[in-house]
Amino acid sequence: QQQVKQSPQSLIVQKGGISIINCAYENTAFDYFPWYQQFPGKGPALLIAIRPDVSEKKEGRFTISFNKSAKQFSLHIMDSQPGDSATYFCAASMAYGGATNKLIFGTGTLLAVQP
Amino acid sequence: EADIYQTPRYLVIGTGKKITLECSQTMGHDKMYWYQQDPGMELHLIHYSYGVNSTEKGDLSSESTVSRIRTEHFPLTLESARPSHTSQYLCASSDVRDYGYTFGSGTRLTVV
Repeated sequence: QQQVKQSPQSLIVQKGGISIINCAYENTAFDYFPWYQQFPGKGPALLIAIRPDVSEKKEGRFTISFNKSAKQFSLHIMDSQPGDSATYFCAASMAYGGATNKLIFGTGTLLAVQP
Repeated sequence: EADIYQTPRYLVIGTGKKITLECSQTMGHDKMYWYQQDPGMELHLIHYSYGVNSTEKGDLSSESTVSRIRTEHFPLTLESARPSHTSQYLCASSDVRDYGYTFGSGTRLTVV
């Protein structure tokens, strides 16, 4: 119940296309859903995040869509660029026992945007 | 701009050696974490701390140990390195009021 399932494992998109990465969770106590972007040789960096009271959040070319009833959320990258080529992780967390929240990460998606 | 620093970035060491991977953050975050990341990408939590003198083992069993004597410092130690310890080690921190994690750039460890 603590898992976050992420798909696909890898994705190849043409420049200008839309990249879509999906995640699903079971634990309805999760209340924070971030996406992280990791370039080779670097640590993951927070890209965008959403709370369950919102169905969509957009920041530039990046959009999170959230479906609370289906317990699914997805990352859409519009007008994908070669510079977006990276590994993307979804995650989820909940606050319990006070402030002892811990992120549960998905397994990652390797995105390659071809020029 | 990195507010969490890991050293060394790369380390090649012989089997049986004792090593310490350093992690320091300047943000005053109470919570710190160590992850092991294989070439297959997945992040495995091996240790975490909610504050000074607080350390817990993570989801993936690890032969490493950690300490948290100061808020800003969370070193990871391997008493006797083995080739199976070859991996990338990532340190992260978070504020008690902020769900987001800040990651360091990692230490790539190779044990020969």
